[in-house]
Amino acid sequence: GQQLNQSPQSMFIQEGEDVSMNCTSSSIFNTWLWYKQDPGEGPVLLIALYKAGELTSNGRLTAQFGITRKDSFLNISASIPSDVGIYFCAGRTNTGNQFYFGTGTSLTVIP
Amino acid sequence: DVKVTQSSRYLVKRTGEKVFLECVQDMDHENMFWYRQDPGLGLRLIYFSYDVKMKEKGDIPEGYSVSREKKERFSLILESASTNQTSMYLCASSLPQGFSEAFFGQGTRLTVV
Repeated sequence: GQQLNQSPQSMFIQEGEDVSMNCTSSSIFNTWLWYKQDPGEGPVLLIALYKAGELTSNGRLTAQFGITRKDSFLNISASIPSDVGIYFCAGRTNTGNQFYFGTGTSLTVIP
Repeated sequence: DVKVTQSSRYLVKRTGEKVFLECVQDMDHENMFWYRQDPGLGLRLIYFSYDVKMKEKGDIPEGYSVSREKKERFSLILESASTNQTSMYLCASSLPQGFSEAFFGQGTRLTVV
């Protein structure tokens, strides 16, 4: 199955810094999702996007649905230690049942 | 609060055993999924179901089967566990096609010895 290209693979940042990551696909999606996974836990949904160009925030997190519908971006502002984890993007087409996942971005925040 | 619950957080099984992983969702979702997650390989779809008694193979169905007798419950079966099936298993559910999200369970860490 298709796997989305997610970058960067890993990030090491100082507490208080902003973080950006992105996800690209060869297919057009009508839904983009962003998840966070803590070690040993299941992914938790952070933000859902349904419209090209849409910009949605959840606290310090902001995600955008790219206008080509083939990409999405996640920004985290003023990072804190509890932001540590793996962030996944996921996409879905209008007609398919399946979700396609990115390979994940591992975030480490140095206090 | 939406909920997907996997029956076990950790399991240790012997090679050759038949293993059942259970997943229950309380959101009345039509779709349910089983994934395995391995370092460097991301999430890989094993099977999914879009209705009771309906199932479709995902990317890596070999060595696995599934059962969906009730809408809220989706079981993953390892017919004869092998060490290469040691992994993190994740169950998810969603509404059918269209604008919807997938919700995940907490995961089952399976070790086959």
